[in-house]
Amino acid sequence: DQQVKQNSPSLSVQEGRISILNCDYTNSMFDYFLWYKKYPAEGPTFLISISSIKDKNEDGRFTVFLNKSAKHLSLHIVPSQPGDSAVYFCAASAPVGAGGTSYGKLTFGQGTILTVHP
Amino acid sequence: ETGVTQTPRHLVMGMTNKKSLKCEQHLGHNAMYWYKQSAKKPLELMFVYNFKEQTENNSVPSRFSPECPNSSHLFLHLHTLQPEDSALYLCASSTLAGEELFFGEGSRLTVL
Repeated sequence: DQQVKQNSPSLSVQEGRISILNCDYTNSMFDYFLWYKKYPAEGPTFLISISSIKDKNEDGRFTVFLNKSAKHLSLHIVPSQPGDSAVYFCAASAPVGAGGTSYGKLTFGQGTILTVHP
Repeated sequence: ETGVTQTPRHLVMGMTNKKSLKCEQHLGHNAMYWYKQSAKKPLELMFVYNFKEQTENNSVPSRFSPECPNSSHLFLHLHTLQPEDSALYLCASSTLAGEELFFGEGSRLTVL
């Protein structure tokens, strides 16, 4: 049972346009969501996150939107650049342990390969 | 010096071999993790250590044996692996709050 799903294995976008990466989840206990970016031969690096108390978080060209009722989040990259070409993973965590901390038990999606063409 | 360092980056081993993967973090974190990434699958959590104590074993077969001698070092000992264990093994660390993981570059394992 896959609790975090990225249904698009790949996305191709022209430089300067918007990239929209989508992620759906099924576990209503998830309260914190993250996007990671991974280049070939490197480990994933943290990109942006959002808490369930918010519906939008913005950091430069990157914006994450959360729709709790639809259990859906999306990552918008605008404008897209060729250097953004990478695999993007959506991840979610639920509060466990003392004090509601999650101890890094992230559940990841399968990833979406983004290619930005010059 | 990068935050989380993994060695070796690539490993090829036979099913009867014994080898180990090493991870070291220089971020002062107290939690460390092993994740497995197989082709076209999500990252799968294998083990979690907090302050050197294992707090999570995600139903990992005993042919994978983790060791955490201190908060900065994490090992994954491998023995009698199967070809389907071929994957990218990623180490990560975090503060105990754990909501942002810092990953190493991974060890690409091929089991022949």
